[in-house]
Amino acid sequence: KQEVTQIPAALSVPEGENLVLNCSFTDSAIYNLQWFRQDPGKGLTSLLLIQSSQREQTSGRLNASLDKSSGRSTLYIAASQPGDSATYLCAVNYSGAGSYQLTFGKGTKLSVIP
Amino acid sequence: GAVVSQHPSRVICKSGTSVKIECRSLDFQATTMFWYRQFPKQSLMLMATSNEGSKATYEQGVEKDKFLINHASLTLSTLTVTSAHPEDSSFYICSARISGNTIYFGEGSWLTVV
Repeated sequence: KQEVTQIPAALSVPEGENLVLNCSFTDSAIYNLQWFRQDPGKGLTSLLLIQSSQREQTSGRLNASLDKSSGRSTLYIAASQPGDSATYLCAVNYSGAGSYQLTFGKGTKLSVIP
Repeated sequence: GAVVSQHPSRVICKSGTSVKIECRSLDFQATTMFWYRQFPKQSLMLMATSNEGSKATYEQGVEKDKFLINHASLTLSTLTVTSAHPEDSSFYICSARISGNTIYFGEGSWLTVV
């Protein structure tokens, strides 16, 4: 059974600080990995998608890395803002192209203090 | 704006009754939709894959006779929780795949069974 683990479960930082969220997965035979943001009572917003052949993706203040061999991914958020407060989910697609079934971690709840 | 619409966003039903949740793709056709369930402080767990015009594929441990999925058109999939019990209370969320790696999630539906 594939498992996705996210550490820490919760994180509180002052505004302006850079931070790293961690995601690990047990099976390195992934198709891609995706980071999502979930606001309370809301759906999921895709932040970054990394294909298995890629090592990182960047979007604005966000940078996601992927190390398949070690089964790890990180989400780096630069210059954090209160609006970044949300739960960040890591999801892995093990099933390959055409399937797109995702296995999710439990998430990291981020609070950015003004 | 949202590209996947879920309705209702919150619903309370009595134990033993059935409740239907709709997932609609807006402005695009989705041949494949996915239904997830999330219990408090747990990961999103895939329940089933819904394919337009054919039977849904259920994940192990998900009762297909209890969670009825219908994907009658390219823009609508429905999840019906039959004979609901309090333990079915959860956050249900759908996603729709356009093509390739592009998927969108709905905003989710909170079900409370009393």
